[in-house]
Amino acid sequence: QSALTQPASVSGSPGQSITISCTGTSSDVGSYNLVSWYQQHPGKAPKLMIYEGSKRPSGVSNRFSASQSGNTASLTISGLQAEDEADYYCCSYAGYNTWMFGGGTKVTVL
Amino acid sequence: EVQLVESGGGLVQPGGSLRLSCAASGFTFSRYDMHWVRQGTGKNLEWVSAIGTTGDTFYPGSVKGRFTISRENAKNSLYLQMNSLRAEDTAMYYCVRAGTGHYDFDWWGQGTLVIVSA
Repeated sequence: QSALTQPASVSGSPGQSITISCTGTSSDVGSYNLVSWYQQHPGKAPKLMIYEGSKRPSGVSNRFSASQSGNTASLTISGLQAEDEADYYCCSYAGYNTWMFGGGTKVTVL
Repeated sequence: EVQLVESGGGLVQPGGSLRLSCAASGFTFSRYDMHWVRQGTGKNLEWVSAIGTTGDTFYPGSVKGRFTISRENAKNSLYLQMNSLRAEDTAMYYCVRAGTGHYDFDWWGQGTLVIVSA
């Protein structure tokens, strides 16, 4: 199984909105609405930002939203802030109690 | 507060073995599925293993037959026995708690580094 496909990098200016895509297959992303998204700052552990496709855990800013269409999931960060600069990873349940991560996207705030 | 503290990482030769441990606190450990997720030098995250509350275990093909996940609820501890280690197993290994929905990872430890090299 190959990793889910994410763009290597995405950038935006403060206040702008950016979208990160996560493309899988009909065996993972397309079969389940169970994509989660993680934010990772340098030297830190990943942090859950979105679960079950579009739900935000308590404490996560509503500037973070997510959606899915077919085999592609997307994470949108609105009102981009300097603190949003980090790596972002998608992850999908892939059936049979297995999980698949994306390759990660580096978000740069210009 | 939820805490997950990994230990047991280090330098090991190819073909060798290592046992990672994770001490959990701040939640009822026995009620949660638990996972190990690793991050290699290329920064890619890779799911490594899962164990359910009933002890069922699951692995991806890349580690199946070489890695064994286990848990000891009385000690609030999670383990990963890694055998026949290869250079490509070199990574930071994270102990991770499954979310209440079971399909996401809501708490991560700080990780323990495993280096497989001669």
